[in-house]
Amino acid sequence: KNQVEQSPQSLIILEGKNCTLQCNYTVSPFSNLRWYKQDTGRGPVSLTIMTFSENTKSNGRYTATLDADTKQSSLHITASQLSDSASYICVVSEGGSYIPTFGRGTSLIVHP
Amino acid sequence: NAGVTQTPKFQVLKTGQSMTLQCAQDMNHEYMSWYRQDPGMGLRLIHYSVGAGITDQGEVPNGYNVSRSTTEDFPLRLLSAAPSQTSVYFCASSRGASGTTGSYNEQFFGPGTRLTVL
Repeated sequence: KNQVEQSPQSLIILEGKNCTLQCNYTVSPFSNLRWYKQDTGRGPVSLTIMTFSENTKSNGRYTATLDADTKQSSLHITASQLSDSASYICVVSEGGSYIPTFGRGTSLIVHP
Repeated sequence: NAGVTQTPKFQVLKTGQSMTLQCAQDMNHEYMSWYRQDPGMGLRLIHYSVGAGITDQGEVPNGYNVSRSTTEDFPLRLLSAAPSQTSVYFCASSRGASGTTGSYNEQFFGPGTRLTVL
């Protein structure tokens, strides 16, 4: 069964600090990996999408990396802001499938 | 562009009642889907549609029905509500399914419907 595991489950950091969130997956064959940001009470919003041939993708202060060999991805947030407080969700799609596999998310809290 | 809209935002039902959650998108997307999100779990796919007139089951379809008569609308029907269906429901749309028609199909989510079944 396809699985996506995210760590840590929750994280608290001070404003201005950097942090890295992890995503490990067993989905095969791999099609693409997405990171979403979900603010409390809202729907997820796409941050990055990476295919097999891409090993890094940036979106402002968010940088995602992908190692398709080890089936690992990370999301690095630089110079965190209070507005970064949210849940970050990793989603992996299997080639040819209509059903993506979602991780449970990492809850990030940024304190002033 | 309104994107993906969902109504209602909140709903309380009694066990056994039926209702329809509405979802609409104005981006001419072919692929639409319904998810439920429960505490401590990832989003789970209920039903999806690859175009008008075509629907299929996701991971957790029991107790739900869908139809897709137009490209824009994808309603989700709860036939006989049960407490286990208490959840937050999200509708999403994209040009195509993420694992099939090419990878750069950004998926847009609606704001969600919070449903409580007593």
